[in-house]
Amino acid sequence: ELKVEQNPLFLSMQEGKNYTIYCNYSTTSDRLYWYRQDPGKSLESLFVLLSNGAVKQEGRLMASLDTKARLSTLHITAAVHDLSATYFCAVDNPMDSNYQLIWGAGTKLIIKP
Amino acid sequence: GAGVSQSPRYKVTKRGQDVALRCDPISGHVSLYWYRQALGQGPEFLTYFNYEAQQDKSGLPNDRFSAERPEGSISTLTIQRTEQRDSAMYRCASSLSPGETQYFGPGTRLLVL
Repeated sequence: ELKVEQNPLFLSMQEGKNYTIYCNYSTTSDRLYWYRQDPGKSLESLFVLLSNGAVKQEGRLMASLDTKARLSTLHITAAVHDLSATYFCAVDNPMDSNYQLIWGAGTKLIIKP
Repeated sequence: GAGVSQSPRYKVTKRGQDVALRCDPISGHVSLYWYRQALGQGPEFLTYFNYEAQQDKSGLPNDRFSAERPEGSISTLTIQRTEQRDSAMYRCASSLSPGETQYFGPGTRLLVL
């Protein structure tokens, strides 16, 4: 059974600091996604990572993928309050030709001024 | 065109009533997904369509739940004889083709009294 684990599940940090959210998955997968969800809002796609060593950056967020370690990281640089949200990673289920995504539990990130 | 839309945004119903939740995907998107999301958790897969064909309904909790997408565009998720445990946020997502990034709608908050 494919499992996706995120850690930490909750993170409170100060503005200006750097931090990393981790996403581990239990079997090989073709794609890994990062989504953001603001309280009471929908899920917004941030990144899709397709291959080993893939790195994508958008503003203060950078995502990377190590398929050998089955690990993705979401790195936050010089955090600002606007990045406060819950961040989810999700992977394709390789046993499922219907591209069903398996989701992590989410990391709730609070950035204090 | 516009993003994924869902209606109603909020639905309060009495136990035992039937409800129909509507999803209007992004124009031209082949794939459509239904999820259920509990507070503080990641989305839980319910069912998936390519065009009008329901490809996977393995996530539907029981036979009170059904979904259709008769013309390959708008989809309806129907819950018959609602129970209190059905209360949740129901989200729809669409993607241009299978396996591509999924774009989520705002969700329908269902409350069964």
